[in-house]
Amino acid sequence: QSALTQPASVSGSPGQSITISCTGTSSDVGGYNYVSWYQQHPGKAPKLMIYDVSNRPSGVSNRFSGSKSGNTASLTISGLQAEDEADYYCSSYTSSSTTDVVFGGGTKLTVL
Amino acid sequence: QVQLVQSGAEVKKPGASVKVSCKASGYTFTGYYMHWVRQAPGQGLEWMGRINPNSGGTNYAQKFQGRVTMTRDTSISTAYMELSRLRSDDTAVYYCARVSAAAGYYYMDVWGKGTTVTVSS
Repeated sequence: QSALTQPASVSGSPGQSITISCTGTSSDVGGYNYVSWYQQHPGKAPKLMIYDVSNRPSGVSNRFSGSKSGNTASLTISGLQAEDEADYYCSSYTSSSTTDVVFGGGTKLTVL
Repeated sequence: QVQLVQSGAEVKKPGASVKVSCKASGYTFTGYYMHWVRQAPGQGLEWMGRINPNSGGTNYAQKFQGRVTMTRDTSISTAYMELSRLRSDDTAVYYCARVSAAAGYYYMDVWGKGTTVTVSS
């Protein structure tokens, strides 16, 4: 069981917007602005899409945005494209003494 | 360009050990922690631990303590992850990923392509 809770799957049609949630606790998501999101296509390494809740690395489309409210962070993808179909993972810093970061269980995004 | 190049796939028997390498290039090796993350077939990402290449200091996930050892060789900008007493459920893709060593950085901005470790008798 993952430390952060994500929906197993979400779907949307091209051009639509979708949101993926990531729920943690006050020891991780809720306590720090260190939430990041990763995109992973089949057979590929994860790719950083959002860091520090809402910042996009250079080269990542502005269709991707992040936010946080309380213990839940969210990733929103607007103007869905076929290439967005992938698995998405959230991650957060945690105050645990033996763990630097925790991951969510991942969400499979299907573009219909 | 910045990249992390990992060693090739491994097949090991239960009870054996495996050592995976991760060679960094294109940046100052000691300026970034190296984290190790694994992914079992069809499963999610699992954080295993990290090493500070500058000091050699490590932090391991509780699940792996006693079985994992992370080391580095700064002369060749390479980090290593050794997992011992392998079990079938250690079959996974093992990734290295860097995180800035500056305070307040907790995101992995560059990842290796992964090393497949298969544990089978």
